[in-house]
Amino acid sequence: NAGVTQTPKFQVLKTGQSMTLQCAQDMNHEYMSWYRQDPGMGLRLIHYSVGAGITDQGEVPNGYNVSRSTTEDFPLRLLSAAPSQTSVYFCATKGGLAGPGELFFGEGSRLTVL
Amino acid sequence: AQSVTQPDIHITVSEGASLELRCNYSYGATPYLFWYVQSPGQGLQLLLKYFSGDTLVQGIKGFEAEFKRSQSSFNLRKPSVHWSDAAEYFCAVGGGSYIPTFGRGTSLIVHP
Repeated sequence: NAGVTQTPKFQVLKTGQSMTLQCAQDMNHEYMSWYRQDPGMGLRLIHYSVGAGITDQGEVPNGYNVSRSTTEDFPLRLLSAAPSQTSVYFCATKGGLAGPGELFFGEGSRLTVL
Repeated sequence: AQSVTQPDIHITVSEGASLELRCNYSYGATPYLFWYVQSPGQGLQLLLKYFSGDTLVQGIKGFEAEFKRSQSSFNLRKPSVHWSDAAEYFCAVGGGSYIPTFGRGTSLIVHP
């Protein structure tokens, strides 16, 4: 059982380039989300989804796009990367939508924008 | 709005010593509270959670936490720290929304 799988684990981009961080889960969870982690800032929510075709913005959505065409996948797109987007990105899922519960995290994707 | 404060950015303890990591929350009703641990280069893993009932909750790896409503706190404790406990620890609060709010984390350093 793989759980939450993120790819790539490491990526270096130049300013202005685009890329997609992939997140796949095999737990049939309805809720999926993307966080960024920066030193001293903890985890900040970028976007989340409560099911296929439904997405919403979190605390820091600017510069990122998401879509949810299937239950399993929730890709995060950077259309024009900026140095301020250098961070570690985590995908997290949760089973059920009735109230808070345990989040299951991927191992993270470390992105550097030069 | 819900919020979490972890007052200590870094905590240093000697192996075998006891540990307490502080967490204070702000939420208008009975909160759902969580502690997660992040080992270097890894994602976060749930240590324990409080939803209701007994205010002292037991988690994995020998950790426990106590919910104190009067102090709006949910401090994490361990009686004897092991070198493998060195990690980043995050407290989180949830409530009516299913989206938790995380604290900024406390980095635990363990000296041999």
